[in-house]
Formats: sequence, C-alpha cells, structure tokens
Amino acid sequence: AQSVSQHNHHVILSEAASLELGCNYSYGGTVNLFWYVQYPGQHLQLLLKYFSGDPLVKGIKGFEAEFIKSKFSFNLRKPSVQWSDTAEYFCAVRGEFSGGYNKLIFGAGTRLAVHP
Amino acid sequence: NAGVTQTPKFQVLKTGQSMTLQCAQDMNHEYMSWYRQDPGMGLRLIHYSVGAGITDQGEVPNGYNVSRSTTEDFPLRLLSAAPSQTSVYFCASSYSLDNEQFFGPGTRLTVL
Repeated sequence: AQSVSQHNHHVILSEAASLELGCNYSYGGTVNLFWYVQYPGQHLQLLLKYFSGDPLVKGIKGFEAEFIKSKFSFNLRKPSVQWSDTAEYFCAVRGEFSGGYNKLIFGAGTRLAVHP
Repeated sequence: NAGVTQTPKFQVLKTGQSMTLQCAQDMNHEYMSWYRQDPGMGLRLIHYSVGAGITDQGEVPNGYNVSRSTTEDFPLRLLSAAPSQTSVYFCASSYSLDNEQFFGPGTRLTVL
C-alpha cells in the first residue's frame, strides 16, 4: 500500500541548532508534496509545497525542503531553529493512491521540541 | 469568512451509539475531507469528496459514512460507535488538491 513515512517521531534540539526532518513516500506515480505544521493547541498550517520545477522549495518561517525523486524523499530543513518552532510537523503526499481520485495522505508526524 | 467549522468540539458516546460530526465551509471549496488524528499515527484519511455528490474512501473508512449533498457541508456519520473510534477528528477543505488544505478546529470524540 502507498504510504508516507516520517522516520523521526520525536526530535529535541537546542536553539540555533540545525534541523532536518525526513519524509519518504512509496508511490511511483506523479506526486505533489507538502509539509504542514501544528503548533500546540492550533490547527494545521501549510509550511511549504512542491509541485514541479526547482526541487528545493522555500516556505514560511525560514523552512525549506528538497525533493529528491530518485530517493522518494522530501526532507524538511531549517538552518537555525527557534524555541517558537516547537510543534508537530507532518509530511503529506498527494497522488492517485489505490485508484480513484487524488488523495492527500499524511505521515505520522514528528514532534519537535526546541529548548532555549 | 468563518473558514472551516466543526461541531461539536467534544463528544462522549457509549459503545453502539450513532452520531454525526458536522463540518461546513464557506469558501466555496470543492475538495473536502475527514481525518482522524491518533498519537503516533498522524492524520489518517477517512473519507473525502471532490465535489457535491462525489465521495470516496480514504485509508480508514470502516465504521464511517459520508455524504456531500451541498458544496458547503460534509458530515461524517459514525454508524455504531466503538472504543477504537476514540480520536480527534479534523475536517479539511481546499479549492483543489493543488491548494492549501484549511483545517477545522477538530472534534475530540471519546467512546466508552
């Protein structure tokens, strides 16, 4: 079955450390890729998305992600995290999974805690 | 715009009871979906709709029904509640899947 894997379930960093969260998907067709963030007590919000073109995409709040087609990966990065980045991060993939219409499938999420 | 609204915010059911979670959006979005969020499992797609009158199953559809009679509303029905359906339920909508999904505030459901 098609799936989206986020390998790190919990990440703890100090402020100013660099961040990389992994996301891999298992689907050979055309996909669109997203990262969403859920701050404590809030709704999910879109960080960035990739549809086509430059595989390095930049999002809000200094986040970026790189699409590597050969590795089926879309890792999220930030050079220097802040305490306010403490949140749960979800990778999502849109594709024609299992036939039918296009669906948006989420990974299990990575909970990031940034310590001052 | 109110965005995506969900009612109720909290609900406690007994095993075997049925209920409907309401979702509405006022953005004229075609695409709507229901997810459940469980610790360590992220958001799992239950059902989705690509427009009025068109619905399809997601990853975990068993025990849930949906219908889409209007563009605005996308209710989720639990036919016979089970403890395994204890979860937080999110409704989301977007103009299309190319666009950002807007999420509702969620419904926290407990089934005893």
